[in-house]
Amino acid sequence: DGGITQSPKYLFRKEGQNVTLSCEQNLNHDAMYWYRQDPGQGLRLIYYSQIVNDFQKGDIAEGYSVSREKKESFPLTVTSAQKNPTAFYLCASNPTAFTEKLFFGSGTQLSVL
Amino acid sequence: AQSVAQPEDQVNVAEGNPLTVKCTYSVSGNPYLFWYVQYPNRGLQFLLKYITGDNLVKGSYGFEAEFNKSQTSFHLKKPSALVSDSALYFCAVRDRGSTLGRLYFGRGTQLTVWP
Repeated sequence: DGGITQSPKYLFRKEGQNVTLSCEQNLNHDAMYWYRQDPGQGLRLIYYSQIVNDFQKGDIAEGYSVSREKKESFPLTVTSAQKNPTAFYLCASNPTAFTEKLFFGSGTQLSVL
Repeated sequence: AQSVAQPEDQVNVAEGNPLTVKCTYSVSGNPYLFWYVQYPNRGLQFLLKYITGDNLVKGSYGFEAEFNKSQTSFHLKKPSALVSDSALYFCAVRDRGSTLGRLYFGRGTQLTVWP
């Protein structure tokens, strides 16, 4: 069953804590993306990676970090520097960054305790 | 700069009536245009795209969209709405001349179809 798997579905962060959101794809896609979704603000791009071992900042990268050590994995760390982390986080991929259609995971809801 | 505007936060329509969800865009070159749909607590699903050719694009679930270059619009339409169409709809754009393969999304329009 091919697709993008995000875990966990729900995550809670304590003050000063770093948390990592997992994103795995078995679609053999080169490009992967992290979006943040807040009510009424749509999707904002945090980071994206067009190929293994390379990634670029999106529009709201401050307080976040990523790695792309393997083609199928693109984890997102929400650091303690991100002061307002409560949001729905979506991971996406496409075969190359210039392929028209994005495939999305089911999302992770992050909340602050 | 590239951007997408969805001027309506909410659209309400009766089942069986036609629906339109509006989208306007701004890109420096020629656009690739997309519509995605999101059901509660889920990721986005691709509905349709405009790349080139016929200005009327047909997509999934009976949806279609009309590309209008002079008005820089890409409105989503369906001739007869279903209650199951109720969801959050996103318009997105990419500049086909850009070296960065990223999409820019609008803020979303909540469509509610009432029985």
